[in-house]
Amino acid sequence: NAGVTQTPKFQVLKTGQSMTLQCAQDMNHEYMSWYRQDPGMGLRLIHYSVGAGITDQGEVPNGYNVSRSTTEDFPLRLLSAAPSQTSVYFCASRETSGLSDTQYFGPGTRLTVL
Amino acid sequence: TQLLEQSPQFLSIQEGENLTVYCNSSSVFSSLQWYRQEPGEGPVLLVTVVTGGEVKKLKRLTFQFGDARKDSSLHITAAQPGDTGLYLCAGELNTGNQFYFGTGTSLTVIP
Repeated sequence: NAGVTQTPKFQVLKTGQSMTLQCAQDMNHEYMSWYRQDPGMGLRLIHYSVGAGITDQGEVPNGYNVSRSTTEDFPLRLLSAAPSQTSVYFCASRETSGLSDTQYFGPGTRLTVL
Repeated sequence: TQLLEQSPQFLSIQEGENLTVYCNSSSVFSSLQWYRQEPGEGPVLLVTVVTGGEVKKLKRLTFQFGDARKDSSLHITAAQPGDTGLYLCAGELNTGNQFYFGTGTSLTVIP
């Protein structure tokens, strides 16, 4: 059981470049989400998905796209990177059963946009 | 503006001391979670509270959800260096499916 995996771990982009941050989970969780973490602001929700084929916007969705073609994968796309998108990005999957409500976070992707 | 405010933002204490971290909002939450995050890693869930007034204990950590489900506190007894980390609260509104995180409390326990 690998849990939640994210690639790459580090990335440097130039303004205007595009890229995809990968996220995968092997726990068969329906709910997955993407957050960004900036100093002094905690984590902010970018997009989330409650199952394959279903996505919705969080607090800060502008500049990001997501898709959910399978239960396991939830990639985050930056269409045209901007310096304001320099941040640490975390993917999470959520287990909601009768006795448990737990979010499992990946190790993060540290993105710098020059 | 943050939906959840945490205080204090930074806390540095000696090993063996007690401390309390607060998480406050004007919104009502259906559930509230506390996480601890180590440098370079993702947050790890410590506890979920769902009932107003609920108290949960995890070894030396005591979590309380306010009666009105607008606030929560985390109390650590006899802090140890291993408790060092960033503590985050996160609340889910009744509308569901979105967690709002607090600003975080960075705790350092000095041996």
